[in-house]
Amino acid sequence: AQSVTQPDIHITVSEGASLELRCNYSYGATPYLFWYVQSPGQGLQLLLKYFSGDTLVQGIKGFEAEFKRSQSSFNLRKPSVHWSDAAEYFCAVGAGYGGSQGNLIFGKGTKLSVKP
Amino acid sequence: DAGVTQSPTHLIKTRGQQVTLRCSPKSGHDTVSWYQQALGQGPQFIFQYYEEEERQRGNFPDRFSGHQFPNYSSELNVNALLLGDSALYLCASSSRDRGFLETQYFGPGTRLLVL
Repeated sequence: AQSVTQPDIHITVSEGASLELRCNYSYGATPYLFWYVQSPGQGLQLLLKYFSGDTLVQGIKGFEAEFKRSQSSFNLRKPSVHWSDAAEYFCAVGAGYGGSQGNLIFGKGTKLSVKP
Repeated sequence: DAGVTQSPTHLIKTRGQQVTLRCSPKSGHDTVSWYQQALGQGPQFIFQYYEEEERQRGNFPDRFSGHQFPNYSSELNVNALLLGDSALYLCASSSRDRGFLETQYFGPGTRLLVL
């Protein structure tokens, strides 16, 4: 069965430090992978997505992610964290159906806190 | 350009009652998906509507039903509410014609509390 694992429930980093959020997936076919961010009281905002091609994907707000098929991973990175990055981050795999974007299977999320 | 909107923002119900949540998709989108996000969890897919029909369904009981209207807006209905139905309900919209590569846009959600 398809699944997404985010091993870290809560991470705290200092402002200006680098960040890496881990994501491992289980999916039988070529995965379609996403990272979303959710601020308190907000819906989900797409940071980046991977469908095919270059395994290093650039997203919004200075985020990037690298797809590693051999490790079934899609880790999210940012070289320098800003206080406004404090939020909850969700990794998801897309289970496509009928040519349209199908349901997304989400991990349980990683809450990011940023120390001044 | 209005994004995905949902109403109401918050709702309190008691066990056994029925609830209806509403979603208006982003302009130009024709596909609506509903997700349930329990506290401390990631969103879970409930179902997806396109052309006024349910196209996909996640692992949710028949108490959860939906509808899509000709203007592409959608409703999520939950009957016989249980305490465990307390959650944030998220609506997402996309454009089926643009295929799988099209991004799903999420609304802010409706927070349902069942007492």
